[in-house]
This record gives sequence, C-alpha cells and structure tokens, in this order.
Amino acid sequence: DGGITQSPKYLFRKEGQNVTLSCEQNLNHDAMYWYRQDPGQGLRLIYYSQIVNDFQKGDIAEGYSVSREKKESFPLTVTSAQKNPTAFYLCASSRNGDRGSYEQYFGPGTRLTVT
Amino acid sequence: GQQLNQSPQSMFIQEGEDVSMNCTSSSIFNTWLWYKQDPGEGPVLLIALYKAGELTSNGRLTAQFGITRKDSFLNISASIPSDVGIYFCAGQHRNYGGSQGNLIFGKGTKLSVKP
Repeated sequence: DGGITQSPKYLFRKEGQNVTLSCEQNLNHDAMYWYRQDPGQGLRLIYYSQIVNDFQKGDIAEGYSVSREKKESFPLTVTSAQKNPTAFYLCASSRNGDRGSYEQYFGPGTRLTVT
Repeated sequence: GQQLNQSPQSMFIQEGEDVSMNCTSSSIFNTWLWYKQDPGEGPVLLIALYKAGELTSNGRLTAQFGITRKDSFLNISASIPSDVGIYFCAGQHRNYGGSQGNLIFGKGTKLSVKP
C-alpha cells in the first residue's frame, strides 16, 4: 500500500528542546513538503525539497530545519528558536516534471504541543 | 504572501441539500485543487483542475476552473453526514521562467451538520 506516514501522531515537548518530526513516503515521489496548520488557518509552507540533497525555504522557515538524504524521507526539526511551535504539522509529496506534479498528497499529520 | 479568498468560511448543511463554495484570487492560476480534511487528519485530494473552463466531477462533487483563471468553485450535491469536514482550495501558478510554483491554500470552508 503506497502512502505517506508521519510519526508520531501526537508529540509533547518542553520549551527549549529541539524536536524532530518524521515523514516517510513510498510513492516514489521526487518532491516533498512540510506545512504548518493553525486553527482557522490555511496551510503555510515551511520547507520543500524537489530532489534528494536539495531543499528550499518556504514562507515560514524561521526556527525550522530539514534534511533530504533519501528520496523517501524528509524529517523536520522544530528548534528552540521557533517562537510558537505548537501546531499541526503536515507532510506532503508530489511527482515532478509533469501535470501530476501539482497534485500534493498528504500524510496524517503530527500534532506538536510545546509547554 | 499571496492569498486565496475562500468563501463561505463555514456553513451548515442538512442531509440532502446541495452545497456550493468558491475561491478567488487576484492573480491567475494554472492549476486549482480541492481538498477535504477531517478533524485531526491530513487533507485528501478530491479534484484537480488544469484548464480554464474545465468542469470535473468526482461522484457527487463537481468543481470548475473559472474562465478568468482567477477563481474556482466546488459543488456537493445531495449532501450526506460524512461530507462534514473542512474543504480547502489550493492554486498554483508557474514562477517566472516556467518553473513549478508552490501551492497556495485558502483558509477553508467548514461544513457542519445543521442542529
């Protein structure tokens, strides 16, 4: 069964700690994305990666970092520099290079709570 | 960043009613996507539109890509209780030079059951 997995579903951290959210896909997609969702808001792009070993900042990259060492994996680290880290984090992936590359498919999300 | 105006923000439905929602933008898009999100889950892609004037159906859902390329609407016919959720539109336009632009999301339309 092809899809995107995010773990864990719920994550709790103390303020000042870095935390890494996992995202894995077996859809053989080249591109992967991280979004943040706050109540009543649309999705805001944090980082994206079109190919392995390359990634770009999105609209709200400050306080976050990513890596893309494998095609299947795109972990997101929420650092202590992120001023308001409590949110629902969504990972997505898409093909590259053709019409279907515009269609992003999402994982189930990780809800991060920082106290 | 660029915004999509999605309306209405929320609406109540009674089983069997038809539902309509739309998204507008101040700039031209090449692609419109419609997603549905259930509480605590990731968005699921419902319909993708690639051509101005295109009308596409997926079961009881119908979406259209506006002729001006600045708007799109989604209709749900004969609504049922499982239609409840948040519906997001997303648009994409090509960056300068023809490279793939990222998705821009509306803030969502929340469908609830009439009390």
